[in-house]
Amino acid sequence: GAVVSQHPSWVICKSGTSVKIECRSLDFQATTMFWYRQFPKQSLMLMATSNEGSKATYEQGVEKDKFLINHASLTLSTLTVTSAHPEDSSFYICSARSTGRSGELFFGEGSRLTVL
Amino acid sequence: SQQGEEDPQALSIQEGENATMNCSYKTSINNLQWYRQNSGRGLVHLILIRSNEREKHSGRLRVTLDTSKKSSSLLITASRAADTASYFCATDRGGTSYGKLTFGQGTILTVHP
Repeated sequence: GAVVSQHPSWVICKSGTSVKIECRSLDFQATTMFWYRQFPKQSLMLMATSNEGSKATYEQGVEKDKFLINHASLTLSTLTVTSAHPEDSSFYICSARSTGRSGELFFGEGSRLTVL
Repeated sequence: SQQGEEDPQALSIQEGENATMNCSYKTSINNLQWYRQNSGRGLVHLILIRSNEREKHSGRLRVTLDTSKKSSSLLITASRAADTASYFCATDRGGTSYGKLTFGQGTILTVHP
């Protein structure tokens, strides 16, 4: 089956630093990718829709300057958490919508961010 | 975006029993999907049911969809300890939002051996 790879799978950083998380579709092209955030024992909340070659669309309440999304190619979207704070500690999961395969959706394994 | 509700929030059963989880949502949908998530891990896609379908089976899973009541249920038959996980429903409105999922709150299922 199709694979979506997220990297890193976990990261610990100091408060004030920026962290980049990659979401890569390994064997298919994805014009659109989605970024979700999941706090402990909670559900997934959509943060933004990432479109190749254009600006991301952010959900209400998500700070676009805080969570920078870049979708520079058909196989890669990146989420950068800028000036991270402890409250940004969360599980970040991406999904990729295949341009072929009837637009099937595939999820990455997630990236756990801990901000000290 | 608003999230749907799932019940129960937690379900504890013995191996071999059936587990039923329910999900309600608020908007019209193109499809509804169920996912499993083991603790601290990514999502595993279980089954997708389209808005024009009422029931779907996959192995030990049975999903129903009632669009008039905006609700769905997931039945896991003959449960196993390995089924222990969180289960989420997710709705997709389709159209230009295709692939943009709204997740329910989830049900934590514990299957005791």
